[in-house]
Amino acid sequence: EDQVTQSPEALRLQEGESSSLNCSYTVSGLRGLFWYRQDPGKGPEFLFTLYSAGEEKEKERLKATLTKKESFLHITAPKPEDSATYLCAVHSWGKLQFGAGTQVVVTP
Amino acid sequence: DAEITQSPRHKITETGRQVTLACHQTWNHNNMFWYRQDLGHGLRLIHYSYGVQDTNKGEVSDGYSVSRSNTEDLPLTLESAASSQTSVYFCASSPGVGATDTQYFGPGTRLTVL
Repeated sequence: EDQVTQSPEALRLQEGESSSLNCSYTVSGLRGLFWYRQDPGKGPEFLFTLYSAGEEKEKERLKATLTKKESFLHITAPKPEDSATYLCAVHSWGKLQFGAGTQVVVTP
Repeated sequence: DAEITQSPRHKITETGRQVTLACHQTWNHNNMFWYRQDLGHGLRLIHYSYGVQDTNKGEVSDGYSVSRSNTEDLPLTLESAASSQTSVYFCASSPGVGATDTQYFGPGTRLTVL
């Protein structure tokens, strides 16, 4: 059975304190791994898609990487506006399966 | 600008009533999806459509139905609302054939069933 597990569930950071979020997956026929950002009361906002092991993508202070078993979202020198829940999802057999998310709080 | 909208944004209803949640997208995307989001479960797929007249069941489809009569709309109907269906519902769309490309989400509908 396909599974997507995100860790940690919650992360509290000081402004400027870099960290990483983990998304581990077991899925047959991976056709892409997606990262989304979700702010309270809003829908998920697309960040990145990764398709193959070794691939990396960056956007501002965020960098996503992919291996055969997991993906990392690195947050470099975070700012309070990076506070959000970060969701990962794997595409397999025509559908997306989401992890439960990591809630990130960045304090000044 | 093209967008995806959901209505209503908030809804309170009673057990046993029929409820319909609207989803409208102006991107002309072929694919549309409905999810529910609950604490501890993340986003779970309810129903999806790859084009007009096409509908498919997702992971948690019991008690829900959809129909796709045009490209822009995929309404979600709760036939007889139950308290277990209290949740936040998100609609999403993606352009291509199959769910191989990025899904873009609406703002969500918070549904409370009393």
